[in-house]
Amino acid sequence: EDKVVQSPLSLVVHEGDTVTLNCSYEVTNFRSLLWYKQEKKAPTFLFMLTSSGIEKKSGRLSSILDKKELFSILNITATQTGDSAVYLCAVGADRGSTLGRLYFGRGTQLTVWP
Amino acid sequence: DTAVSQTPKYLVTQMGNDKSIKCEQNLGHDTMYWYKQDSKKFLKIMFSYNNKELIINETVPNRFSPKSPDKAHLNLHINSLELGDSAVYFCASSPRGPGTEAFFGQGTRLTVV
Repeated sequence: EDKVVQSPLSLVVHEGDTVTLNCSYEVTNFRSLLWYKQEKKAPTFLFMLTSSGIEKKSGRLSSILDKKELFSILNITATQTGDSAVYLCAVGADRGSTLGRLYFGRGTQLTVWP
Repeated sequence: DTAVSQTPKYLVTQMGNDKSIKCEQNLGHDTMYWYKQDSKKFLKIMFSYNNKELIINETVPNRFSPKSPDKAHLNLHINSLELGDSAVYFCASSPRGPGTEAFFGQGTRLTVV
């Protein structure tokens, strides 16, 4: 069963809109939650979150983690066509039988129309 | 100055063949991985090495065998290829150890015909 669940699975917006992507997880020995952007080729790293309530920002992208409720959101403001991609959420574990694993969600396909 | 590089980028081969994919990282990371991404874009870990030691060996057929000659290299050898092995295989490495951010190579698209 999926340990990392992303929603929505796909999203179509117009340039300038703001979007929120969701990621919930159930992973023992939690170490980190990561967001990636995947266009045609390799996933590219966006953020790593380890502490609750601390927002990470990079330009128009921001993300926050809630370790009590076991979820994270990725916000993109003033979307551009270049933001069109699959956004992947992953959760890392650091000990026990889950040591070293990054569990990926199935991604949110974001399409931004001009 | 590519950080994580894989070769080849594309591989088309017949069922039953044996093939290898090579991966090298010049980032000085201790942890390296192989991931498989299926046609629905789902990424699943196959193997992980930390300081040349195998730490993750997911439930994959034993036709798949990783080999890490040194910390900068992690190769994947696949015997007796099957149609279901067709996928994109990504190599990745982590600077802060297992379970932290991973940096991915550009992927190898394997097609078995």
